[in-house]
Amino acid sequence: AQTVTQSQPEMSVQEAETVTLSCTYDTSESNYYLFWYKQPPSRQMILVIRQEAYKQQNATENRFSVNFQKAAKSFSLKISDSQLGDTAMYFCAFSAAYGNKLVFGAGTILRVKS
Amino acid sequence: DAGVIQSPRHEVTEMGQEVTLRCKPISGHDYLFWYRQTMMRGLELLIYFNNNVPIDDSGMPEDRFSAKMPNASFSTLKIQPSEPRDSAVYFCASSPGAHEQFFGPGTRLTVL
Repeated sequence: AQTVTQSQPEMSVQEAETVTLSCTYDTSESNYYLFWYKQPPSRQMILVIRQEAYKQQNATENRFSVNFQKAAKSFSLKISDSQLGDTAMYFCAFSAAYGNKLVFGAGTILRVKS
Repeated sequence: DAGVIQSPRHEVTEMGQEVTLRCKPISGHDYLFWYRQTMMRGLELLIYFNNNVPIDDSGMPEDRFSAKMPNASFSTLKIQPSEPRDSAVYFCASSPGAHEQFFGPGTRLTVL
């Protein structure tokens, strides 16, 4: 069974600074997908970024980028130029290529301070 | 597209009552998922459908929970009878089969 671990329960960052959220996972699969979801206080789950395991290039979406280390089974999220609206719970998630179920980590609460 | 639609947004009921949560997926999405989120257990997958057929219901807690998808544009999650420990936020999500899932706004259920 796959597991996803987020070891940082809470983090804080100053506005305009950069922050990195950690995620590790455990799987025996060679092909899979990884995601970061954001859940602001409104509780809406919002897809932030997606990475296919067969792609070596790290995914980037505007201020959000990932550091995907397949051998280390690590998938960290970097947020550049942090904004107050980035304050949210961030979830790392895994999906095996053969199925469609998402396995979520416990989440990291990120607080952006002005 | 309006996104995934869930109703009601909030539900308060008394123990023993029947509760029905509703979901309309994004048009064209073949997969529909029901999740429950609590502080203690995080996000749990309850059940998911593919082309209206239940594929995996191993996450459904017990027989008090049931889910149906009578057509491609509608699904329900029913709890009968409800108990205080069922209090949680229930999310519906849909997917076009590309693994990424799009979530609805959730239903906050409180069972007194």
